[in-house]
Amino acid sequence: ETGVTQTPRHLVMGMTNKKSLKCEQHLGHNAMYWYKQSAKKPLELMFVYNFKEQTENNSVPSRFSPECPNSSHLFLHLHTLQPEDSALYLCASSQEGGSGANVLTFGAGSRLTVL
Amino acid sequence: GQNIDQPTEMTATEGAIVQINCTYQTSGFNGLFWYQQHAGEAPTFLSYNVLDGLEEKGRFSSFLSRSKGYSYLLLKELQMKDSASYLCAVRDSNYQLIWGAGTKLIIKP
Repeated sequence: ETGVTQTPRHLVMGMTNKKSLKCEQHLGHNAMYWYKQSAKKPLELMFVYNFKEQTENNSVPSRFSPECPNSSHLFLHLHTLQPEDSALYLCASSQEGGSGANVLTFGAGSRLTVL
Repeated sequence: GQNIDQPTEMTATEGAIVQINCTYQTSGFNGLFWYQQHAGEAPTFLSYNVLDGLEEKGRFSSFLSRSKGYSYLLLKELQMKDSASYLCAVRDSNYQLIWGAGTKLIIKP
């Protein structure tokens, strides 16, 4: 596997379910991100982990809970979601620090539908 | 507030040239990025501009004017595979990425 891998690619869940999204990066990067992508809207940054420490939480509701057990893996735990949480959830990684562009490498996303 | 504006949708003909504009108002500037995203796929990095001027990379070029808060992505010799969404993003003074909503480019034969 290369790059950033996300599973599952598609997920349908009821509002009372608990599920998790998984992300794995094989690039040796030191930062990982969760973004929410809704149709015709800008990417919304949800969480940032830098060297496994959460450095950003952009007022995300507590029904979304991130977990970063190591620098290669990132999870997004989902609980009692709302229909408006239906979206594409993108994971990304980057190498922070030093000079340069610090380009994000994205996974293909997990398409979430909340019924 | 911070804002990135880009057209919602554009249509162009195979073999032609298309220019996708991006204007921004941000708190400071530390670089501008263009990403390409095919439907159902990951956004992929196209270009990065931090100084004024034109950066050319094959059929794709990206231009930046910091004084005008303006960039464009120029795609030449369009191919059907260039049909995708193109995302503009600016890194502000806090090194936060501010994203535009993306431009959906439709290529017709």
